[in-house]
Amino acid sequence: EVQLVESGGGLVQPGRSLRLSCAASGFTFDDYAMHWVRQAPGKGLEWVSGISWNSGSIGYADSVKGRFTISRDNAKNSLYLQMNSLRNEDTALYSCVKHRSSGWSHPDAFHIWGQGTMVTVSS
Amino acid sequence: DIQMTQSPSSLSASVGDRVTITCRASQSISSYLSWYQQKPGKAPRLLIYAASSLQSGVPSRFSGSGSGTDFTLTISSLQPEDFATYYCLQTYSPPPTFGQGTKVEIK
Repeated sequence: EVQLVESGGGLVQPGRSLRLSCAASGFTFDDYAMHWVRQAPGKGLEWVSGISWNSGSIGYADSVKGRFTISRDNAKNSLYLQMNSLRNEDTALYSCVKHRSSGWSHPDAFHIWGQGTMVTVSS
Repeated sequence: DIQMTQSPSSLSASVGDRVTITCRASQSISSYLSWYQQKPGKAPRLLIYAASSLQSGVPSRFSGSGSGTDFTLTISSLQPEDFATYYCLQTYSPPPTFGQGTKVEIK
């Protein structure tokens, strides 16, 4: 069974950092691009960042560029999101998503979604 | 960035109704559009990719159509388990962008 399990969320003060992790199983992790997508409480879906199968290509939403860093460890079947200089508006459920192809910017669908980990930024 | 506009934002329908949700892109995205279903407290689920291809395991009452800037998700006969929020997503041009969602409620 294909599974994505996120961890690392929590309550953090503005300006602080947090690192999210996503453990993948049930598929050949290093064949596929991966993404982080977030959803603020009661709001819609927002793409945050994507990474190609070999980490050779990476993209970020303008809202997080320069503050967030996506990475992956194919040996550990894991995806990460390092979030620095957190803001109140970063409060959201962060989900790990498997792309249907190997490049994050390839015009294909977001295939499998994790349940997400909640990040709350508040003083 | 390409803007995706869904309509309506919400709708009320009865079991057995035919339901249509539209998604309009601010510029042509060819057929690089997908549709997702999200139930409360659950992760989104891929329904349709490449505008009209049904994802494996998705009931055939779901269908998608369109190309260029205008796209449609149709549920041919609404079932109780279909009450949810639906999102479109374009992946033609980075960054990927979602529609704002359409909530399908019970009439």
